[in-house]
Amino acid sequence: AQTVTQSQPEMSVQEAETVTLSCTYDTSESDYYLFWYKQPPSRQMILVIRQEAYKQQNATENRFSVNFQKAAKSFSLKISDSQLGDAAMYFCAYRRGKNTGNQFYFGTGTSLTVIP
Amino acid sequence: NAGVTQTPKFRVLKTGQSMTLLCAQDMNHEYMYWYRQDPGMGLRLIHYSVGEGTTAKGEVPDGYNVSRLKKQNFLLGLESAAPSQTSVYFCASSYSIYGSDEQYFGPGTRLTVT
Repeated sequence: AQTVTQSQPEMSVQEAETVTLSCTYDTSESDYYLFWYKQPPSRQMILVIRQEAYKQQNATENRFSVNFQKAAKSFSLKISDSQLGDAAMYFCAYRRGKNTGNQFYFGTGTSLTVIP
Repeated sequence: NAGVTQTPKFRVLKTGQSMTLLCAQDMNHEYMYWYRQDPGMGLRLIHYSVGEGTTAKGEVPDGYNVSRLKKQNFLLGLESAAPSQTSVYFCASSYSIYGSDEQYFGPGTRLTVT
């Protein structure tokens, strides 16, 4: 099974500041996809951003961007201009490029607190 | 579009009781999944389905059974509930297994087994 590690169980950030959440993964494959999901207190899992491993350019979605370091197997999420609504649990997920069933492997999550 | 819905949202069972969780999606997705979420462990795949009438085991399948009789529905059954099955259960679906297709999640079911 693939391993996805989120080493920061909890993080906090001042409103309007920038925070980076870390994620590393273990794989011997070259073709795969990486995702960040947000889980607010409502429990609903919401896709934040995705990255294809074959793309060198880091993905960006408005205030959210990633730093994808393929050689280091690192996939960190940067949240700029943090807002109170960003407070949530964030999960990093890995999916193989060639797979059966589209199985996602999730990290254990990072709980983000936004301080007003 | 309701997306992915789950029934019920909460349930309390006694050890040994059985129950079925229902997942429904209205996006015509081929692939459906059941996960459990436990504190400090992220989401772990229980079973999944790659199409109507087909199911397969995931990472933690013991104690659970599933069925996919209709494309839009994916049922998760617990035949004899145990306290270790206390968890939050998520259903998800996806259109394909290619590219960067995401999984769409339901709102979750909190199950407590006493």
